[in-house]
Amino acid sequence: GAVVSQHPSWVICKSGTSVKIECRSLDFQATTMFWYRQFPKQSLMLMATSNEGSKATYEQGVEKDKFLINHASLTLSTLTVTSAHPEDSSFYICSAPSTSGLWTQYFGPGTRLLVL
Amino acid sequence: DAKTTQPPSMDCAEGRAANLPCNHSTISGNEYVYWYRQIHSQGPQYIIHGLKNNETNEMASLIITEDRKSSTLILPHATLRDTAVYYCIDTSNTGNQFYFGTGTSLTVIP
Repeated sequence: GAVVSQHPSWVICKSGTSVKIECRSLDFQATTMFWYRQFPKQSLMLMATSNEGSKATYEQGVEKDKFLINHASLTLSTLTVTSAHPEDSSFYICSAPSTSGLWTQYFGPGTRLLVL
Repeated sequence: DAKTTQPPSMDCAEGRAANLPCNHSTISGNEYVYWYRQIHSQGPQYIIHGLKNNETNEMASLIITEDRKSSTLILPHATLRDTAVYYCIDTSNTGNQFYFGTGTSLTVIP
């Protein structure tokens, strides 16, 4: 099946710094990608829809200035957590939909962020 | 918001069939039901999807009721590696975005 990668797989940063997470579709093009956040023992929460060549759309309650999304090419979307704080520590996962005509999504392996 | 309901947890003996139910009573007529699973600290893995007919692939079978308000995912011979959280997803009226419910945590017991 289609492969989605994320980089880095884990990151530790100091409070107040910014962290960029990359999501790549390796063998297909994705005009749309999705970003999720998952806290321990909880389900995935959709944060935003990343649109190639245009602004991302954010779910209610997600701060767009806090979580910057850039989708500059058909295979790459980036999520930047700006001025990270300990409460931003979480598991961040991206996905990209299939190009088969259905909306089956393929998920990346996730990025674990720890803010000290 | 998630529109599916699933039991929070289930156990299954290794080698037996695991039957995981899901209610999606508000699903619209032309939307698929998708099933994914998430093994600890990994991204969700696609299992199967269906519209109205029963479906089978190398991983599982999906039984959808005639009224489409519920479905059951069947893992025919559960192994320890099938221990995971299983999610069913209904994309009705979501613009094809996935909203995850709480899922079912399946534990396969030796």
